[in-house]
Amino acid sequence: DADVTQTPRNRITKTGKRIMLECSQTKGHDRMYWYRQDPGLGLRLIYYSFDVKDINKGEISDGYSVSRQAQAKFSLSLESAIPNQTALYFCATSDSRGLPYNEQFFGPGTRLTVL
Amino acid sequence: AQSVAQPEDQVNVAEGNPLTVKCTYSVSGNPYLFWYVQYPNRGLQFLLKYITGDNLVKGSYGFEAEFNKSQTSFHLKKPSALVSDSALYFCAVRALDNYGQNFVFGPGTRLSVLP
Repeated sequence: DADVTQTPRNRITKTGKRIMLECSQTKGHDRMYWYRQDPGLGLRLIYYSFDVKDINKGEISDGYSVSRQAQAKFSLSLESAIPNQTALYFCATSDSRGLPYNEQFFGPGTRLTVL
Repeated sequence: AQSVAQPEDQVNVAEGNPLTVKCTYSVSGNPYLFWYVQYPNRGLQFLLKYITGDNLVKGSYGFEAEFNKSQTSFHLKKPSALVSDSALYFCAVRALDNYGQNFVFGPGTRLSVLP
């Protein structure tokens, strides 16, 4: 979905480096999420934010941190990257208004390789 | 705990034939079920959802899904497959869990439509 953008799209880094992945959205949604995708495991939730002042850990938050700089921006940081954090990372948004369980809209993904 | 199973890693079907991608779920309370599709080098795209009401849900690109409460299933179907339907398909359930009212994704099923 072009309304959800992620930068960078690809990144190769070395063990121990600090990495930041950024997500921006123009959909006006209040909720934002970070997932990682690994083959055969589907998507696993890292962190989520229901509004600027509300940030919560997901299923696999260890080794990651996030910042919600504005309603439209949600960044994911790897403080000290390790090889098993090599994965495809997705940002997603959803709208809490209207129907109780609206679907999510995903960015194009960031492919991260940690050597 | 909530969970989603997609029992087939891979589904192969000939173009023009009907296709089914299976999904079963386990949740506490009412399930809110979703299907997403992922094309190569793209983020996930929403296909359809079941919230309440008619058990047969119609979605994008001619896909439909049938909710079966007794079998806890939400199988994705299409009457006539196209080569362009080849992609990775994810079933997801919206659930109350330790991480709030968030989505739980299945591991994905790769659909290959053969010409």
